[in-house]
Amino acid sequence: EVQLVESGGGPVQPGGSLRLSCAASGFTFSTYWMHWVRQAPGKGPEWVSLIDSDGSKTDYADSVKGRFTISRDNAKNTLYLQLNSLRLEDTAMYHCVRDSRSSWYYFDFWGQGTLVTVSS
Amino acid sequence: SYVLSQPPSLSVAPGQTARITCGADNIENKRVHWYQQKPGQAPVLVVHEDSDRPSGIPERFSGSNVGNTATLTISGVEAGDEADYFCQLWASNTDRVVFGGGTKLTVL
Repeated sequence: EVQLVESGGGPVQPGGSLRLSCAASGFTFSTYWMHWVRQAPGKGPEWVSLIDSDGSKTDYADSVKGRFTISRDNAKNTLYLQLNSLRLEDTAMYHCVRDSRSSWYYFDFWGQGTLVTVSS
Repeated sequence: SYVLSQPPSLSVAPGQTARITCGADNIENKRVHWYQQKPGQAPVLVVHEDSDRPSGIPERFSGSNVGNTATLTISGVEAGDEADYFCQLWASNTDRVVFGGGTKLTVL
């Protein structure tokens, strides 16, 4: 059974930092592209970042480029997202999601998410 | 940027058919995917590439994509179908994943 379990969220002040983690199990993590998708309260999801299977390719939404960094440790089956220079509008549930391997880019498994709350 | 328009809410009686729409210019030229999200739970993929169902998703869930509107159809709606439904596609012109704002389905 595919499992994605996020951790590392919490309250943080504007300008602060957090490191999110996602522990993956139930599939061969090292062969899948992975993404972070966030969902602000009452809003639709927003794609945040992707990383390819060996970590050599990454991409970011314009709203987080230069502030967030995605990475992975295939030996530990873990995905990370480093969040720096946090803003109020970064408040959201952050989901770790698995890429479906389709050329049409969709997500076949989602984690429950970890909540990031940016507030002064 | 590509914008996907969904009605904020839809109410349907049990046993009836729910049709949730996702609109954008010439959306039929894209492949649209649909997710179901129940309160406090992670989203679940229910339809991908317009009309394909992942294993384990009931046949009551189907999809179509014509003209400027993609539609998720839920036949014989059950109380357990009450959830938020989001459409999603990949906009090749911007190389970006785009989500709709979501539709809250209420089963009366």
